[in-house]
Amino acid sequence: DSGVTQTPKHLITATGQRVTLRCSPRSGDLSVYWYQQSLDQGLQFLIQYYNGEERAKGNILERFSAQQFPDLHSELNLSSLELGDSALYFCASSATGSNQPQHFGDGTRLSIL
Amino acid sequence: AQSVTQLDSQVPVFEEAPVELRCNYSSSVSVYLFWYVQYPNQGLQLLLKYLSGSTLVKGINGFEAEFNKSQTSFHLRKPSVHISDTAEYFCAVRPKNEKLTFGTGTRLTIIP
Repeated sequence: DSGVTQTPKHLITATGQRVTLRCSPRSGDLSVYWYQQSLDQGLQFLIQYYNGEERAKGNILERFSAQQFPDLHSELNLSSLELGDSALYFCASSATGSNQPQHFGDGTRLSIL
Repeated sequence: AQSVTQLDSQVPVFEEAPVELRCNYSSSVSVYLFWYVQYPNQGLQLLLKYLSGSTLVKGINGFEAEFNKSQTSFHLRKPSVHISDTAEYFCAVRPKNEKLTFGTGTRLTIIP
């Protein structure tokens, strides 16, 4: 058990819809990261938050947004969903510092019908 | 920008045989190196990490990796694999104050 909790585990929705994925980091971790994993793109970094502030941005589409709340949990919002957004979405958290490993949740599997 | 190359997308190995999963990286600055394992339908789990010091690092489940600065490599090894080692393995590199970059993964299949 990594200590990172993601909900829901599975999500099935239709094109054009909007969904919210939730992540609770390990106790004490201030950094939260979001990744997308798909068969054709591999593991792609989306965005990082540190103590409520956006710290780094990766390959995140404009239709996607995220935030980290005062209690350090984070949400990833995906809107105007397309078939190509079907993927596994992972959240990870880490302690402060580049040398700190990231600890991953079990992911949310998003299926767009 | 840094990059990570895992040349072998799939590696089949007989049970109890040794295995080496290759990882090469490129970066203009010093990096921290990690290996993660992903079992089916699960998230990524940290196997081991190299931060500094001894170039041979030991991780969980009997795995070890050796950092070679001159060859910019961080290959993962295990002397004797088990069926339970069947999984996807990801090498990752993170320069100081930069984002973590993952390789494309190597699928390890253990043949009974």
